[in-house]
Amino acid sequence: EVQLVESGGGLVQPGGSLRLSCVASGFTFRDYWMSWVRQVPGKGLEWVANIKRDGSQQNYVESVRGRFTISRDNAENSLYLQVNSLRAGDTAMYYCARDFSKGDLDYWGQGTLVTVSS
Amino acid sequence: QSALTQPASVSGSPGQSITISCTGTSSDVGGYNYVSWYQQHPGKAPKLMIYDVTIRPSGVSNRFSGSKSGNTASLTISGLQSEDEADYYCCSFRSGTPFVFGTGSRVTVL
Repeated sequence: EVQLVESGGGLVQPGGSLRLSCVASGFTFRDYWMSWVRQVPGKGLEWVANIKRDGSQQNYVESVRGRFTISRDNAENSLYLQVNSLRAGDTAMYYCARDFSKGDLDYWGQGTLVTVSS
Repeated sequence: QSALTQPASVSGSPGQSITISCTGTSSDVGGYNYVSWYQQHPGKAPKLMIYDVTIRPSGVSNRFSGSKSGNTASLTISGLQSEDEADYYCCSFRSGTPFVFGTGSRVTVL
C-alpha cells in the first residue's frame, strides 16, 4: 500500500524557518518525481515545487523561489521542503504527493500544517 | 501567477449530470494535453479523478469523464450521487511554472 506521511509543520514567527519531511512507503520512491502542494485553510490548492527522480532538477512556483528548497534522499525514501523567510501568506497545509506523469498526482499524504504568526 | 478559472459552485439533483469548466490560456490548458482533476472532501487530501484530460485512474467511477476544447477543460459527473458532494480542482501544465491549479468548484447535491 502506497503511503506518504508528512511531518515538521508547526507554529513559527515571520522570518523563521522549518524543514518539512515526507516519508514514502509501498512503492519504489526513486522511480517517481515528487511534489509539494499547499492549501491555505478554507482556500484552494497551490502547486509549490517538484523534484526529479534523481534529485537533479527542481522547479518552484515564483512566490517561493529563493526561499524554499525541495530535496530528496532516495536511500531513506524521503522528500523534504526547507522553508525559509516565512511570511504570513505561507500559512497553509503542506501536502507531499507522488507525480506519476507530468503533474498527475496519484497519491497524497495527509498534510502538515505550517502557521506563520507572531 | 494566475490560477485557472473555475466556477465557484455547481449544483445538481441526484441522478442528474453536471459539468465543471476550467478555463486557461494557450500557455496551459490550450497548449498541452496535461489537464488533471482532483476531488477533495472536507478535511481530506485531494484524490486524482482524471488525468491527461480524459483518462480515469483505476478505481474511479466511470460516472466521471473529462474533455477539452480550446483553452477550456471540463469535468462531467453523470448520475450525480450524494458522495460526489465535494470540492473539485483542475490542474494543468503551464510553460515556465510548470503546474497551476484552478480556483476550485464546490459541487452541491441538492
